[in-house]
Amino acid sequence: GAVVSQHPSWVICKSGTSVKIECRSLDFQATTMFWYRQFPKQSLMLMATSNEGSKATYEQGVEKDKFLINHASLTLSTLTVTSAHPEDSSFYICSAEGGEAGRRETQYFGPGTRLLVL
Amino acid sequence: RKEVEQDPGPFNVPEGATVAFNCTYSNSASQSFFWYRQDCRKEPKLLMSVYSSGNEDGRFTAQLNRASQYISLLIRDSKLSDSATYLCVLNTGGFKTIFGAGTRLFVKA
Repeated sequence: GAVVSQHPSWVICKSGTSVKIECRSLDFQATTMFWYRQFPKQSLMLMATSNEGSKATYEQGVEKDKFLINHASLTLSTLTVTSAHPEDSSFYICSAEGGEAGRRETQYFGPGTRLLVL
Repeated sequence: RKEVEQDPGPFNVPEGATVAFNCTYSNSASQSFFWYRQDCRKEPKLLMSVYSSGNEDGRFTAQLNRASQYISLLIRDSKLSDSATYLCVLNTGGFKTIFGAGTRLFVKA
């Protein structure tokens, strides 16, 4: 159990376009989802925390107008990178908090989305 | 001081060796602790939770020392497939999860 999917797994786009990444919890309800970014050889960096039905909470230094997060349901959160630029190229990973009772603080990660902006 | 600190390694060990990683944390209010494993260019996967009483899962043993504010991971009888980056993760409550930068392990034949 506790499977999280992400789509797409790879994106290559031109500078200036917007890219939407979906994160789904497949077999459990996740009231909280997290979006991370990881640059090569660096640690995961939390971008924002997404709670179903409310506005996302962004970490310091993350532009909320550039990285739009929508947590539309208990199983789906989306991250839209608006007007992407080459410096946005990164590995984006979502995670969902939840699962069976007693493990609700555990985060289950999606497989990640590699974004390359040309 | 970083909230979570790990030795980045790399640790290079032969197959069959025992290897241990430590992770120190600065926030004494930290509530939950985990070890995640991340393979190259993949997402982190939960390896095990860390309980105050210590816990074991096969060749892996995790321990928590709240007084000294560190957690440890011991891997016995290392396999080639154990080669990965091991992330120390803690939750301070209120949806605040902090990742360490990871410790790289290479197990060689």
